[in-house]
Amino acid sequence: KQEVTQIPAALSVPEGENLVLNCSFTDSAIYNLQWFRQDPGKGLTSLLLIQSSQREQTSGRLNASLDKSSGRSTLYIAASQPGDSATYLCAVERNTPLVFGKGTRLSVIA
Amino acid sequence: NAGVTQTPKFRVLKTGQSMTLLCAQDMNHEYMYWYRQDPGMGLRLIHYSVGEGTTAKGEVPDGYNVSRLKKQNFLLGLESAAPSQTSVYFCASTEGGVDLSGYTFGSGTRLTVV
Repeated sequence: KQEVTQIPAALSVPEGENLVLNCSFTDSAIYNLQWFRQDPGKGLTSLLLIQSSQREQTSGRLNASLDKSSGRSTLYIAASQPGDSATYLCAVERNTPLVFGKGTRLSVIA
Repeated sequence: NAGVTQTPKFRVLKTGQSMTLLCAQDMNHEYMYWYRQDPGMGLRLIHYSVGEGTTAKGEVPDGYNVSRLKKQNFLLGLESAAPSQTSVYFCASTEGGVDLSGYTFGSGTRLTVV
């Protein structure tokens, strides 16, 4: 059974810092890995999708990398802003629907 | 472009009552999913569908039924609601097959069973 772990569970940083969120998964034979953002009381917003043949994806200040052999992904956020405060979820897909980690709750302090 | 729309957004039920949650997508996606999100448990898959007329069980299917009579709609039913079904329910859809676009989620339904 695929298990997804996100470390740390919570993170608080001052504005302007660069930061890394970690995601690990137990079954490396995945098709896709997707990072989402969730604001309190809201739905999930897709940030980045990395297909199994790709190693990284970039969108603005966000960069996600994928290392299938080690079962790890990282989400790098450059020059963090208070508006980045949210919960970030990692999810992987193989031959079953997306399996989610429990998320990292990020607070960026002005 | 609406994407994935869930109705209702909020609902309070009494134990034993029934209700249906509606999910509608306008992206012509083949696959649709129902997840529930609970504090400390993350998102867990309830049921999913890989095409019109098909359904399959996920991780936590007990107490729920689903139907996919039309490609664009996926209904989640609670026949006899229990307090343990208090949760936030999310619907999602994907193209299916070799998925190039990832999952699109609705904004959720917050259900309280008293």
